[in-house]
Amino acid sequence: SYVLTQPPSVSVAPGKTARITCGGNNIGSKSVHWYQQKPGQAPVLVVYDDSDRPSGIPERFSGSNSGNTATLTISRVEAGDEADYYCQVWDSSSDHWVFGGGTKLTVL
Amino acid sequence: QVQLVESGGGVVQPGRSLRLSCAASGFTFSSYGMHWVRQAPGKGLEWVAVISYDGSNKYYADSVKGRFTISRDNAKNSLYLQINSLRDEDTAVYYCAKDLDSSGRSLPFDYWGQGTLVTVSS
Repeated sequence: SYVLTQPPSVSVAPGKTARITCGGNNIGSKSVHWYQQKPGQAPVLVVYDDSDRPSGIPERFSGSNSGNTATLTISRVEAGDEADYYCQVWDSSSDHWVFGGGTKLTVL
Repeated sequence: QVQLVESGGGVVQPGRSLRLSCAASGFTFSSYGMHWVRQAPGKGLEWVAVISYDGSNKYYADSVKGRFTISRDNAKNSLYLQINSLRDEDTAVYYCAKDLDSSGRSLPFDYWGQGTLVTVSS
């Protein structure tokens, strides 16, 4: 089955740029979606189809996808961005949705 | 506004059954694929199952196939998850989520409920 690999944690100072990676075999050929989850809350879609943003999501959130790595980039990080972030793809070979293990973003 | 409200969770003994429900409002329920996703305490998200807009196609995670059944009643704007032969590892918050598409395949989940907690314990 398809596996997505994320770093368990990323730390960044306020105002700096955070990059969260999501690794998978030839992930560049798939559409990657990203979710933000704050403690005690349901996940929220922040980037879809590699780099598109749903309405209401700040432009500070962006994404890219190429080769074996997709990346969620958060510019000018704020304290309110502290959360767990998950990448997701549809694996058509197994007809399964797959989530990465999640990355905890800490704002120093 | 879109609302998804799960119910039916609780404390259940191993081996017993449970049915979760998700009441949807604020959108044309019969036009969209719907999902169940679970999250064990302190763990990450695990996709459980998806059902297409008309119920004709269903897909399950390998970990639940054969024990879980996803269904929907478009007349009642409701999604269901029948869970049989409950195991300790089924303990989790169960979320229902709306797909951006009718099939539930490839497009992301744009709305989520707040979840219902299932605890499997003797």
